[in-house]
Amino acid sequence: EAGVAQSPRYKIIEKRQSVAFWCNPISGHATLYWYQQILGQGPKLLIQFQNNGVVDDSQLPKDRFSAERLKGVDSTLKIQPAKLEDSAVYLCASSFELSVGMNTEAFFGQGTRLTVV
Amino acid sequence: AQSVSQHNHHVILSEAASLELGCNYSYGGTVNLFWYVQYPGQHLQLLLKYFSGDPLVKGIKGFEAEFIKSKFSFNLRKPSVQWSDTAEYFCAVIKAAGNKLTFGGGTRVLVKP
Repeated sequence: EAGVAQSPRYKIIEKRQSVAFWCNPISGHATLYWYQQILGQGPKLLIQFQNNGVVDDSQLPKDRFSAERLKGVDSTLKIQPAKLEDSAVYLCASSFELSVGMNTEAFFGQGTRLTVV
Repeated sequence: AQSVSQHNHHVILSEAASLELGCNYSYGGTVNLFWYVQYPGQHLQLLLKYFSGDPLVKGIKGFEAEFIKSKFSFNLRKPSVQWSDTAEYFCAVIKAAGNKLTFGGGTRVLVKP
């Protein structure tokens, strides 16, 4: 079974530039997550999609971050303009419906390591 | 706000020592609980999960975890670690409302050969 695909693996940009990350979830997974993992910390949820609808984006800095999941499959996460503190690994994950009491789990991609200089 | 706490940021062990990593969460409703592992250079992988039934859960690579509802805890254990267990370990929780998967801060484990 193919896993969650993310690209690019690495990106270096200057502050105030824009950047986009792409994620292709596991086939058939309705739920897609974007996490930000700053060095030395656990992953922080930025946005959660169920099919192409947003379930939770309460921790997404909406003044600079945006995400979409067209047709309920692939997703892109964009940062515009980037700040130094956005340097982190951006993780995409997908699952069948992940809800309490259900025997499901989230599967993670390799992540995109973003460095803002 | 929901939170997940992992008590140890760094643990250093020798091979064959026993490992226990603590995890506590902050809400009283029904939850699913997970432990994920991230080996150097690799992506997050599931070690084990609890969603219902027996609170003692066995996972891959000899790991197990015990869900103690009264203590809001889900501690991870392995009786005898190997050098290959060197990794970062993350506890994660979802609760009934919202199904948001929340992670703890992680524990870096170094096993010395």
